[in-house]
Amino acid sequence: EAQVTQNPRYLITVTGKKLTVTCSQNMNHEYMSWYRQDPGLGLRQIYYSMNVEVTDKGDVPEGYKVSRKEKRNFPLILESPSPNQTSLYFCASRLAGQNTGELFFGEGSRLTVL
Amino acid sequence: DQQVKQNSPSLSVQEGRISILNCDYTNSMFDYFLWYKKYPAEGPTFLISISSIKDKNEDGRFTVFLNKSAKHLSLHIVPSQPGDSAVYFCAASKDRDDKIIFGKGTRLHILP
Repeated sequence: EAQVTQNPRYLITVTGKKLTVTCSQNMNHEYMSWYRQDPGLGLRQIYYSMNVEVTDKGDVPEGYKVSRKEKRNFPLILESPSPNQTSLYFCASRLAGQNTGELFFGEGSRLTVL
Repeated sequence: DQQVKQNSPSLSVQEGRISILNCDYTNSMFDYFLWYKKYPAEGPTFLISISSIKDKNEDGRFTVFLNKSAKHLSLHIVPSQPGDSAVYFCAASKDRDDKIIFGKGTRLHILP
């Protein structure tokens, strides 16, 4: 089954404790991206990657890091989480140059930083 | 600066009637527009898209209209069904490989 898998789905952590949210896709997609969803703000892009070893900042990259060492994986790293990073996070992927531009999303990871 | 705007946070429509969700954009360089649907506790799913060279795209009960001169697009759902109750996100990009920018979403309630 074609899917984007995120882990963990739910996490409560404390300020300053490094964490990683993993994202994996099995569709051989070149493009991967991370979004955060906050009430009243919709979906905002954090980072995206056009292919292996190619990453770029989205609209809200501060406090986040990413890496793209393999095509299927795109982990989101919070080196020193803060309460304003409490949010619902989505990973997404798509084929490069796809006609419809359709993004496939994971089910989301709800993060709470105390 | 919000480049993709959905000015109605919520909309209620009677089952069987037409639902019209609106979206405005500010960047005239956008040439690809998409609608996504999101249920609670799930990721958004792609619904329908339209290229700037068209003014209408239809897929079953869903039709997207694009008015480039007004920088406006709308999603029509006819007839509306209970399963259409969800949050709908409008999105845009400058080309197929560019990043996709989302609006804040409109919550659609289909009333029995």
